[in-house]
Amino acid sequence: AQSVSQHNHHVILSEAASLELGCNYSYGGTVNLFWYVQYPGQHLQLLLKYFSGDPLVKGIKGFEAEFIKSKFSFNLRKPSVQWSDTAEYFCAVEFNTGNQFYFGTGTSLTVIP
Amino acid sequence: KAGVTQTPRYLIKTRGQQVTLSCSPISGHRSVSWYQQTPGQGLQFLFEYFSETQRNKGNFPGRFSGRQFSNSRSEMNVSTLELGDSALYLCASRSGPNTGELFFGEGSRLTVL
Repeated sequence: AQSVSQHNHHVILSEAASLELGCNYSYGGTVNLFWYVQYPGQHLQLLLKYFSGDPLVKGIKGFEAEFIKSKFSFNLRKPSVQWSDTAEYFCAVEFNTGNQFYFGTGTSLTVIP
Repeated sequence: KAGVTQTPRYLIKTRGQQVTLSCSPISGHRSVSWYQQTPGQGLQFLFEYFSETQRNKGNFPGRFSGRQFSNSRSEMNVSTLELGDSALYLCASRSGPNTGELFFGEGSRLTVL
C-alpha cells in the first residue's frame, strides 16, 4: 500500500538554528511531492511542490526541499528558523496511480525565541 | 478570488446523531477532496469527487458518505456518530485530478459527546 512517513513528530529549535524535516514515501511509480504548513489556527497552506525537473525546489519563506528519487525522500530544509515558523508541517505525495494525495502524520515545530 | 469555504466551522453533536458538512470550492475548481484530521494521525483521506462522481474513497466505514453537486459544491455526511468521529474535517479543491496542489479550507471542527 502507498504511504508517507514523517519521522520527526515534534521538533524544538532555537531561533537561527537550521531545520531539516524528513519525509519518505513508499514506492509507487511517478509522484508529485508537496510540503504544507499549518500555522496555529490557520488553514493548511502550500510551502513548496515538486513535479519534475531540478530536484532542489525552493518555496515560500526561505524553505527548500530536495527530492532524492533513489531514497524515496523529500526532506524539507531551512537554514535559519524564526519564531514565526512555529507550526505543523505535513509532507504529501500524489502517486500517479489514481492521483490521490497521501499525507504524513505531520511534524510539530516549535521555535524558541 | 475566494478560497475554499467550509460550513459550519464548529459543531457539537451527541453519539448516534448524524451530521452534514458543506464545502464550496474555489471558483472553477471541479475536484473536491475530504480529509479527517486528528492529533497524531495527520490527514486521513475520506473521498474525492470530480464532476459529481466519486473518484477515490479512503478506508472509512460506510457511515461516512459524500456527494458533489453540479456547481462543484460538496457535502459529506456522517451517520450514527461515535465519539471517535470527533475531528477536524478538511475540504480541499483543485481544478481537476492531477492538476497540481490542493487548496484547503479552514475546516469544520466536529465534537461528539
